[in-house]
Amino acid sequence: EVQLVESGGGLVQPGGSLRLSCAASGFSFKNYEMTWVRQAPGKGLEWLSYIGSSGNTIYYADSVKGRFTISRDNSKNSLYLHMNSLRAEDTAFYYCARKSILGDHFVDSWGQGTLVTVSS
Amino acid sequence: QSALTQPASVSGSPGQSVTISCTGTSSDVGAYNYVSWYQQNSGKAPKLLVYHVSDRPSGVSNRFSGSKSGNTASLTISGLQAEDEADYYCLSYTSSGTLWVFGGGTKLTVL
Repeated sequence: EVQLVESGGGLVQPGGSLRLSCAASGFSFKNYEMTWVRQAPGKGLEWLSYIGSSGNTIYYADSVKGRFTISRDNSKNSLYLHMNSLRAEDTAFYYCARKSILGDHFVDSWGQGTLVTVSS
Repeated sequence: QSALTQPASVSGSPGQSVTISCTGTSSDVGAYNYVSWYQQNSGKAPKLLVYHVSDRPSGVSNRFSGSKSGNTASLTISGLQAEDEADYYCLSYTSSGTLWVFGGGTKLTVL
C-alpha cells in the first residue's frame, strides 16, 4: 500500500524557516516524480513545487519561488520542502503527493498533510 | 499563473446530474489533455476521480465522467448521491513556466 506521511509542520514566526519531510513507503520512491501542494484553511488547493525522480528537474509556483526549496533523498525514501522567509499567507496544510508514473500530469496518491501556521 | 476558473458552488438533487466546469487558457486546458479532477471531503486528502481529461482510475464509479471543449474541461456527476457532497478541483499542466495549476474549487451540495 502506498503511504506518504508528512511531518515537520508547526507554529513559526513571520520571517522564519521550517523544513517539511515526507516519508514514502509501499512503492519504489526513486522511480517517481513528486510534488508539494498546499491548502490554506477554508481555501482551495495550490500546487507549489515538483521534483523529478532523480532530483534534477525542479519547478516552483510563482508564489514560493525563491523562498521554498524542494529536495529528495532517494536513499531514505524521503521528500523535503525547505521553507524560508515565511509569511502569514503561507499558513496552510501542506500535502506531499506522488505524480503518476504513466507520463501524464496528475497526482495518484496523497499524504494526509501537515499544518504550518505562520504567526507571531 | 492564475488559478483555473471553476464555479464556487453547484447543487443538485439525488438522482440528478450536475456538471462542474474548469476554464483555463490556450496555455493549459486548451493545449493539452492533461486535465485531472479530484474530490475532497472535509478534513481529508483529495482523491483522484478523473485523469487525462476523461479516464477513470480503477475503483472510481462510472457516475463520474470528464470531457473537454476548447479551453474548458468539465466533470459530470450523474445519479447524484448524498455521499457525493464534497469539494471538487481540476488540475491542468501548463506551459506558462510553472508546471501545474489548480482550479479554485467547487463545492457540491446534494439537496
